Amino acid sequence: DSGVTQTPKHLITATGQRVTLRCSPRSGDLSVYWYQQSLDQGLQFLIQYYNGEERAKGNILERFSAQQFPDLHSELNLSSLELGDSALYFCASSPSGSGGAYPGELFFGEGSRLTVL
Amino acid sequence: AQKITQTQPGMFVQEKEAVTLDCTYDTSDQSYGLFWYKQPSSGEMIFLIYQGSYDEQNATEGRYSLNFQKARKSANLVISASQLGDSAMYFCAMREPDSSYKLIFGSGTRLLVRP
Repeated sequence: DSGVTQTPKHLITATGQRVTLRCSPRSGDLSVYWYQQSLDQGLQFLIQYYNGEERAKGNILERFSAQQFPDLHSELNLSSLELGDSALYFCASSPSGSGGAYPGELFFGEGSRLTVL
Repeated sequence: AQKITQTQPGMFVQEKEAVTLDCTYDTSDQSYGLFWYKQPSSGEMIFLIYQGSYDEQNATEGRYSLNFQKARKSANLVISASQLGDSAMYFCAMREPDSSYKLIFGSGTRLLVRP
């Protein structure tokens, strides 16, 4: 158990809909990362928040947005969903952006599997 | 920009034998970190092993070891005495040198251990 909690674990929705994925980082971790993993692909970095502020942005679509709240939990909002958005969405956290035992070590949640029909 | 390449989409290994999963990386930075993660069919990402660019010794963690060749920019994962539970996707990742410390991942290698 990494200590990172993601909800929901599974989500099935229709094209054009909007969903929100939630992430609670490990206790004390200030940094939250979101990754997308499409079928049989590697993980693609979407966005990072550090202590409530956006720190880095990857190939995140304009239809997607995220935020980190004062209690450090984070939400990833996906709107106008398309079939191609079906993927496993991971949240990861790290203590201060510099990793845990190793610099850059990320602790991953179990992911939220989104299916768009 | 940093890049991670895993050229083996899939591999087979016989139970109890050793297997090497390849990873090459591209970076112009002197300080960097390399990670290997395991992703079983259940989907979670499990940290296996880390190698820092300045580490003099190759990293080892139980049955996992890294064959780190800095000049060749390769960090191959060696799994000794393969077990059926080792069947999974394996990802090599590199830490970005900027303040984000985000990881960039390779495309992965699917390992299947045969009994």
